Order: sequence, then C-alpha cells, then structure tokens
Amino acid sequence: DAMVIQNPRYQVTQFGKPVTLSCSQTLNHNVMYWYQQKSSQAPKLLFHYYDKDFNNEADTPDNFQSRRPNTSFCFLDIRSPGLGDAAMYLCATSRARTGNQPQHFGDGTRLSIL
Amino acid sequence: AQSVTQLGSHVSVSEGALVLLRCNYSSSVPPYLFWYVQYPNQGLQLLLKYTTGATLVKGINGFEAEFKKSETSFHLTKPSAHMSDAAEYFCAVSDRGNSGGYQKVTFGTGTKLQVIP
Repeated sequence: DAMVIQNPRYQVTQFGKPVTLSCSQTLNHNVMYWYQQKSSQAPKLLFHYYDKDFNNEADTPDNFQSRRPNTSFCFLDIRSPGLGDAAMYLCATSRARTGNQPQHFGDGTRLSIL
Repeated sequence: AQSVTQLGSHVSVSEGALVLLRCNYSSSVPPYLFWYVQYPNQGLQLLLKYTTGATLVKGINGFEAEFKKSETSFHLTKPSAHMSDAAEYFCAVSDRGNSGGYQKVTFGTGTKLQVIP
C-alpha cells in the first residue's frame, strides 16, 4: 500500500540537543507538510514543500528547519529543542496544493524533551 | 481567512446510538470541507470530503456528512456507534482559490468521541 512513513515513532532528546525527524512517502505526491500537534489540539502547520519550493508559515519559529532532498523524503530539524517543543509531529502529503486535495498523514513522531 | 468551529470538545454516546459531531465554517463562499479521524498515537485519516456535487457525502466506516450552505455547516453523522469509533474527529476547511494556487487547510480544534458500552 502507498503510504507515508515517519521515523522514529518516539524520539527522546535533551534540552538544546539538535534532533531530526524523518518522513518518507510512496505516494509520489508533490506536496509534503510538517505539522506540530500538542495534546488535544488541532495540528498546527509549520511549513510545506511544493516540489522543491519551501514555504514557511509566518509564525514558525526559526528553531525549526526542513529539508527535502528528493520527492520521497522530507526531514524536520529542530536546532535547539526547548521544553515547549515536546509534541507530536505529523508529516502529510497531498497530490497538489489546491484546496480540494485531501492530505495523507503518517502516524507521527512523538517528541519528548528531557 | 477561513475559520472552522467544532461545537463540543467531548461527545459521549452509547454503543448503537446516533453519532452527531458538529462543524460550522465562517466563509460566505462555500469552501472545500473535510472530516478526518485520529486514533490514539496515530496520524489523521480522511473520513470524507465535500468538494462539489451532491451535498450528502458518504465516507468510510459508515460515516456521512451533509453540506448545508444556508447553515454554513458540515456535520458528521453515523446512525449507530461502535466501540471502535472512539477517537478524535477533526473538521477541516480550505478555500476555493484560483486554479493551481495554494489554499491552506484550516483544522478545527477537534471533538473526542467516547462510546459507552
């Protein structure tokens, strides 16, 4: 089955220690998204890639970066994690950026900060 | 910008009872509308979507939703709740923008459904 895979499912890091989360997709979709979701809240969009074009949300902290080396993979880098960055991070894809396209989500990476 | 309101952060129903989860959007121009379900420690899964055409949309797992322009609503229903329906449900909206342009998806704050045996 075509899918969106996130690794690892659980990640523990230390305060201030850089961490990278990964996402891969076999759907061959043009668009990849990263969301942050805190407990009992809606997913919050951090940024998205349309092909190689990077689009940052205005309120995404500079501490968060992303890379998309090819169509299949996308990475989320958190340069200096703070306690407030503990959350579930969701990767999603869609065929296009138009509003009628549903998004396909991975199962997320739950990040804990010690 | 679009906004979406989900009334009731928690809904409890008995097994076999009707499920009704409410969603209202803000735009005067009908948006694209989606319902997603999230099980614990998993990502979101598309239940159904309304883009055009028939206003009653059927989705997976026996859920359906009806787009009502006059009420700016897209409520989710299921005639008979199963224990496996216990999850969090998110309504989402997106503008009908220019062809090929980017329209951001706005998610509601979610409704947790509890099914009581």
